[in-house]
Amino acid sequence: SQTIHQWPATLVQPVGSPLSLECTVEGTSNPNLYWYRQAAGRGLQLLFYSVGIGQISSEVPQNLSASRPQDRQFILSSKKLLLSDSGFYLCAWKRGGAVAEAFFGQGTRLTVV
Amino acid sequence: AQTVTQSQPEMSVQEAETVTLSCTYDTSENNYYLFWYKQPPSRQMILVIRQEAYKQQNATENRFSVNFQKAAKSFSLKISDSQLGDTAMYFCAFMIYNQGGKLIFGQGTELSVKP
Repeated sequence: SQTIHQWPATLVQPVGSPLSLECTVEGTSNPNLYWYRQAAGRGLQLLFYSVGIGQISSEVPQNLSASRPQDRQFILSSKKLLLSDSGFYLCAWKRGGAVAEAFFGQGTRLTVV
Repeated sequence: AQTVTQSQPEMSVQEAETVTLSCTYDTSENNYYLFWYKQPPSRQMILVIRQEAYKQQNATENRFSVNFQKAAKSFSLKISDSQLGDTAMYFCAFMIYNQGGKLIFGQGTELSVKP
């Protein structure tokens, strides 16, 4: 069976510090991978997605970047965090092609202070 | 623009009763999927039910069913025999076929099931 791991679960970082959130998927190959952000009490906004190694699509201009160094690894990064980067970050995966369901990780609560 | 609107920020229902959550969406695409996700206090996103836009028959998963009206771009979720464990935030979302699998979410409806 497939599983998705996302860490850390919570993170408190000072303004201006770097960020690295990691997501890995097990039990499948060549998944589509996604990073979403959820502001408090609101819906999810897609930040980045990847359909293959080294292929990253950015949905919104922001202070963040994403990378996919391995087939089942997706990393969300920032060189200098802003207060507005605080939120709940969710990684997700789905099989490529017509299969539609996306499965989510447990999420990371990021607080920038 | 592709958008999803959930007009009910909060709802409550008595245990064992039925509740319907509303969702409308806007897209010019013809091939897409619709979903309802549940986010309990743990904040884990859990797929509740999905509907392929080309299917006229409404999807059903145990106590959960949808009313899909494609022409009206409406996709409501009905929860029958509500249980305390159904208390959660519910998100409506859609995914355009062949656009990378991106999900577009509504703002959510917070459902409270009361004993």
